[in-house]
Amino acid sequence: KAGVTQTPRYLIKTRGQQVTLSCSPISGHRSVSWYQQTPGQGLQFLFEYFSETQRNKGNFPGRFSGRQFSNSRSEMNVSTLELGDSALYLCASSLEGWAGINTEAFFGQGTRLTVV
Amino acid sequence: QQQVKQSPQSLIVQKGGISIINCAYENTAFDYFPWYQQFPGKGPALLIAIRPDVSEKKEGRFTISFNKSAKQFSLHIMDSQPGDSATYFCAAKRYNQGGKLIFGQGTELSVKP
Repeated sequence: KAGVTQTPRYLIKTRGQQVTLSCSPISGHRSVSWYQQTPGQGLQFLFEYFSETQRNKGNFPGRFSGRQFSNSRSEMNVSTLELGDSALYLCASSLEGWAGINTEAFFGQGTRLTVV
Repeated sequence: QQQVKQSPQSLIVQKGGISIINCAYENTAFDYFPWYQQFPGKGPALLIAIRPDVSEKKEGRFTISFNKSAKQFSLHIMDSQPGDSATYFCAAKRYNQGGKLIFGQGTELSVKP
């Protein structure tokens, strides 16, 4: 069974640009969550999508957005990039039939974004 | 507001020793507490998880101890091996917040041969 796939693995962007990251969850998983990982702030929750709807949202500015497609694949977009957006962006998928059912979250290898 | 506090930040253990990492949480609505292991260049991988109705859970060399009244839980790695050298994260999730995990700051474990 294939794991969570994130593309691309590495990205270098310039301040002010925008970027789109992609995540393909494990087959059958309907919940996709995104996290930002930095040395200073650790792992921080960005948002979660379930059945193409945003179910939870973290405390990030509106420049960070996402969406989920009918096949559960998800994308996140960051507009007007800032130097501080440099981070490892991780995607996690889980079964999550509905809120309240705690099932394992499986992470991808992440996309390393560098903003110069 | 840091809802899950993890300590220590770094830990050095001799091969064969016991590694202990502690976490404390504030929100009593949390009802799922997983531990993740992360190697450099990789995403976090689930090690073991526990719910508040259980005080201890063991899987191989890894044990979670849970103290609901103190709002604390810890990871014990028995017979630590150099291959266990990684960063460990505790996390917590609320029953009504789907897949949203709140992570501790992480512990960098180094097991010396």
